[in-house]
Amino acid sequence: GESVGLHLPTLSVQEGDNSIINCAYSNSASDYFIWYKQESGKGPQFIIDIRSNMDKRQGQRVTVLLNKTVKHLSLQIAATQPGDSAVYFCAENTRNSGGSNYKLTFGKGTLLTVNP
Amino acid sequence: DTAVSQTPKYLVTQMGNDKSIKCEQNLGHDTMYWYKQDSKKFLKIMFSYNNKELIINETVPNRFSPKSPDKAHLNLHINSLELGDSAVYFCASSRQGLGTQYFGPGTRLLVL
Repeated sequence: GESVGLHLPTLSVQEGDNSIINCAYSNSASDYFIWYKQESGKGPQFIIDIRSNMDKRQGQRVTVLLNKTVKHLSLQIAATQPGDSAVYFCAENTRNSGGSNYKLTFGKGTLLTVNP
Repeated sequence: DTAVSQTPKYLVTQMGNDKSIKCEQNLGHDTMYWYKQDSKKFLKIMFSYNNKELIINETVPNRFSPKSPDKAHLNLHINSLELGDSAVYFCASSRQGLGTQYFGPGTRLLVL
């Protein structure tokens, strides 16, 4: 299958369970964080974002938690569905030294598989 | 309507050839990007343009030359293709000053 040889962290859950995907970021100066979902054969798709002045943000079935102390980000998906199966990326957004431009640095990605 | 589009979707070519990938966005964004995703799904920025001006160039070989004819288009030309260039290339766009980037569907490049 597609996961062979990818060496991505993987998470396998049963349909209806809650999923938690974790991410550690590196730059304490990062001020904005985004979770992306990438389905097979498609481009990354925006799910939810959070600014560094917040520690929690909720969307529809998704919640992002930010712990700046330990530079950790998590994505919680409630009542996971087969359509949630994808690779999930966290991305940290850092301004350049001039402050006018942003650069997104992506994490390694986690492959979520939802079993019916 | 597709927000960020890329052509071609698939590109198979011989080593040493020169090829181009095109990207267009209809979101009215000022900033466009090219990313490379390797076989391990690692996604890395290559270039960023803001209002047709290059603002990020992440130590990409100079065989790769981006061109932005206007702020809705960012094309990527690759000279003397090498086996290691095989990857999926994604175009993205965003508003200036905001981090949320919107990605195209990707161009799957295979160099033989």
